[in-house]
Amino acid sequence: ETGVTQTPRHLVMGMTNKKSLKCEQHLGHNAMYWYKQSAKKPLELMFVYSLEERVENNSVPSRFSPECPNSSHLFLHLHTLQPEDSALYLCASSPMGQGDTGELFFGEGSRLTVL
Amino acid sequence: AQSVAQPEDQVNVAEGNPLTVKCTYSVSGNPYLFWYVQYPNRGLQFLLKYITGDNLVKGSYGFEAEFNKSQTSFHLKKPSALVSDSALYFCAVRLMMDTGRRALTFGSGTRLQVQP
Repeated sequence: ETGVTQTPRHLVMGMTNKKSLKCEQHLGHNAMYWYKQSAKKPLELMFVYSLEERVENNSVPSRFSPECPNSSHLFLHLHTLQPEDSALYLCASSPMGQGDTGELFFGEGSRLTVL
Repeated sequence: AQSVAQPEDQVNVAEGNPLTVKCTYSVSGNPYLFWYVQYPNRGLQFLLKYITGDNLVKGSYGFEAEFNKSQTSFHLKKPSALVSDSALYFCAVRLMMDTGRRALTFGSGTRLQVQP
């Protein structure tokens, strides 16, 4: 149990489907992140939320739409994806302010396959 | 811009031998440096970090890393490898003073294979 829970762990979807990935953290952190992990590539930062406000968007296509309704929950809404979007999507969280020790705390990831 | 390089895609070592996984970084200021490990079908687990102070940092599972400012390196080491250490290892960096950007920049990862 890492304190950051991602669901579903595995998702297979067609290019015309709409689905969502969910992340929940039980650590009392104020910042949450989405990273994409593709084979043989560095982890790619997608989005950063700080105190529920999106503070970073790394030129991610609009077919990925994040949502952070509160500091404990983060969603990634998926719509009309492409096969090259197949990857492991990792959620992470971190504290802010005096509790910020630098490291991120990761979930187990959601393995997405787009057919 | 900050970046991290892990020059080896894979490192092979025999069980009981010392291991080194290399990492170099590029930042314009003072860095926070991290090592994470990823086991198959799992997320990333934090191993250790350097923020300031002693250049030799000790972490989980007997791993340690040495910060070398002149060589801009932060190599991961372990005196005696175990088969269970076989996994994917990631080096990461964050600017120490850049409090507006908390996200880590990761290297491409190095697969460590420890043979029995």
